[in-house]
This record gives sequence, C-alpha cells and structure tokens, in this order.
Amino acid sequence: SAVISQKPSRDICQRGTSLTIQCQVDSQVTMMFWYRQQPGQSLTLIATANQGSEATYESGFVIDKFPISRPNLTFSTLTVSNMSPEDSSIYLCSVQTGQGVGGYTFGSGTRLTVV
Amino acid sequence: DAKTTQPNSMESNEEEPVHLPCNHSTISGTDYIHWYRQLPSQGPEYVIHGLTSNVNNRMASLAIAEDRKSSTLILHRATLRDAAVYYCILDKNRDDKIIFGKGTRLHILP
Repeated sequence: SAVISQKPSRDICQRGTSLTIQCQVDSQVTMMFWYRQQPGQSLTLIATANQGSEATYESGFVIDKFPISRPNLTFSTLTVSNMSPEDSSIYLCSVQTGQGVGGYTFGSGTRLTVV
Repeated sequence: DAKTTQPNSMESNEEEPVHLPCNHSTISGTDYIHWYRQLPSQGPEYVIHGLTSNVNNRMASLAIAEDRKSSTLILHRATLRDAAVYYCILDKNRDDKIIFGKGTRLHILP
C-alpha cells in the first residue's frame, strides 16, 4: 500500500497567521483527501484534491480558509489561513490504495495548536 | 451516504475475543463494509472489508449478517495494542471519499 509522509508533524502558531501542511505519497494517486480531527472527535472530510483541477470542498469548508494545491500525482498541500484557536486540530491527508485492496492510507497527521 | 451506528465505547480483557458491532440498516447493494482503527496519536489504518461473505485476515474477522444490515468485527485475542477507536464505514469501493462516523473506543484491560 501507499506510504504517506506528512509535514510538519506538529506546530504551534500564532492566531492570524497561516500554516501550510505538506503531503507526499510514494506512488501516483488520482485523488488525495484532507481531513480534520478536532480534539476528542472523529475525522471530518475537508476536501478532495484532484491533480489538475480545483479541489472539491465539503459543506462548512471554503477555499479561502483552506486553500489546497495539487501540483502533481504524488503531492498536495493544505493551508490553514488566518488561524484562530478554533483551528487547533489534527489535519490528516489520505489516498486510496487501489480498487479491491480495501481502502485508504492515512498520513500520521499534523497536530496544530493555535495560540 | 448510508449511515452506520456503533456503541461509543467497549471494554474487554486482554487475551479474550472482542466483538465490535455495527448497524447499517440503510446499506445499499453496492456498499462495501470497511473497518478502520485509529491507534493513539496515529492516523486511521485499514483493518478489513467485505461485501456479503464473512472475511478473515491476519488482523481480524468480519462477520456480515445475511441481510447485510449489521456486521461484527472480531478480534480473536485482544492485546493491549488493540486499544483504539474502531470505525465502521460504508464505501462503494471506488475512487471516492469516505465519511467517518464516531466509532467505538475499545479499552483493553490487562
């Protein structure tokens, strides 16, 4: 299955600033997914990123707040913009491992604390 | 997407079998049943999936009801390292997003 490298693993940021999270996959994938996991909660899908097209955002998430880049088939970034303490969460990227293999591989996440 | 219902938490003793239930009464004929687990401070990891028949792999077994409206993840001999949140997810097994429910937090007692 795919191996995902996600950076940074954690960060502490000042409110009002932005943080860009990188997700690198060791194989080419069509879609990459970005999730947010607030403290003590389950994962919430932020958006789906296809190479060569605009990301598709889920209800409650907007491009101005969470811009996503997908420059090639192995890499994506998620930016958390104009951060507030409510953005403190773990952010995870994910890719599908392939039809019939049963699933999705997840990065280990970026733990973001906004102060 | 069809919804799944799981108990919030369960407890089991180490080295005993664990049966984690999941209800999915609105499942459609093309939905696969997937199980993931999330260990502390890690991203979710795939455990097992199935469509109609029971499935076994090195991690667990998946028992699917005949009407497919429920399923059970079976850990045959729980260890302390199996303490995690277990998510039951319905997916059409195509290149598409998956949506997580709240999952079941499994506690293993030594």
